[in-house]
Parts: sequence; structure tokens; C-alpha cells
Amino acid sequence: KAGVTQTPRYLIKTRGQQVTLSCSPISGHRSVSWYQQTPGQGLQFLFEYFSETQRNKGNFPGRFSGRQFSNSRSEMNVSTLELGDSALYLCASRPAAGSGGGELFFGEGSRLTVL
Amino acid sequence: GQSLEQPSEVTAVEGAIVQINCTYQTSGFYGLSWYQQHDGGAPTFLSYNALDGLEETGRFSSFLSRSDSYGYLLLQELQMKDSASYFCAVSRSGSARQLTFGSGTQLTVLP
Repeated sequence: KAGVTQTPRYLIKTRGQQVTLSCSPISGHRSVSWYQQTPGQGLQFLFEYFSETQRNKGNFPGRFSGRQFSNSRSEMNVSTLELGDSALYLCASRPAAGSGGGELFFGEGSRLTVL
Repeated sequence: GQSLEQPSEVTAVEGAIVQINCTYQTSGFYGLSWYQQHDGGAPTFLSYNALDGLEETGRFSSFLSRSDSYGYLLLQELQMKDSASYFCAVSRSGSARQLTFGSGTQLTVLP
């Protein structure tokens, strides 16, 4: 069974631009979460989608948004990029809402550099 | 709010046993998870405790004391490949799928 796939793996943008990151969860997994990982702040929860609906949202500005499609694939978008948005963006999936007792399956992430 | 504390670095030798502690403060505690992350890689799930006690999975064990808001990850028979960052993470009731991660412990295994 294929794991969580994130694209692109690496990208470089400049301040003010916007970026869209994509995540394909493990087949059959309906819940997708996004996390931002930086050396200073660690892993921070962005949002979680289940059945195309945002279920939880972390403490990030409105420039960060996401969506989920009917096939459970998810995208996140960051608009008006700032230098501080440089980070590894991780997507994680799990089979269903409330399942798995803490187990998330992470992709290898999209490393965003903002210049 | 929520907070988790774990040591930033731990060093041990091959074959040894190491314990990584995690203390947490959170309302509505639901469970404690542990993840391993090698440099540049995806975090991978190691274990989960929702009830007090020890959970054993091969060379790795995890312990939880809800009354002490404390848990630990125990790694036995250390191998060089165990050199990685280890994160504890709490989930809360009502939002069990949202994890709050500790800042991570960098484990270095020496030959």
C-alpha cells in the first residue's frame, strides 16, 4: 500500500507570492491533517480535514488555508508568503475520524523556502 | 494552554538502554503518542498510551502516568539506526486527531 505522497518535495518562492501544496493520503484514509515544522517552533498543527470538511484549525493566520476533495486528496495554500513561512509542511492521514488512537501516517513533507 | 517538556538531547552507546521523558500540561488529556523522525524524513509513529501503564513494542516501550502528567519512551538494545529525533505528542478529548507535539529529543547513539 502506498504511503502518504506530498508534492512538490521542494520549492522556492519569494515574499508576497502564494503557494499550493498537495497531499495524497494512504488509500482508504479519509482524514488528512497538515503540520508546519520549523527549527524554532517544532511541529505545529495547521488544520485537519475529514469528508471534505475542516474539522479543526490551529493558530495560524488566515493566509493559510486548505481543502479536501471527494477522493480525500488535500491541498493547502499559503498566500502573501513571508520569510517566516519557510518550513517543512507535513501532511498526515489516518483511516477515519477518531480512529487510531494517536497514530498518524506522515508524508515526507514539502520543504518551502521563502526568499 | 498546552505545554510539553522533553529533553533536547540525549546521548547513549550502542546496546544501551535510554529513557526519554515527557511531561505535559493540557486540559482534556486523551492520550500520549511518540514519533520518531530521522533527518529529512517523515515522522513515524512508535506508540500510543491512553491508559496508565507500560506498552511494549519490540525494543521500544512507552509508559504513561495520567495522575503525574508524565510519560516516557524506553529504547532498549540501542542501535546506530536509532539516532533520530523523538517527539512526544498529546491529543485532547474532542479533538483527538489534533496532536500537540513536544519540541523533540535528539538521540545520538555512539558506537
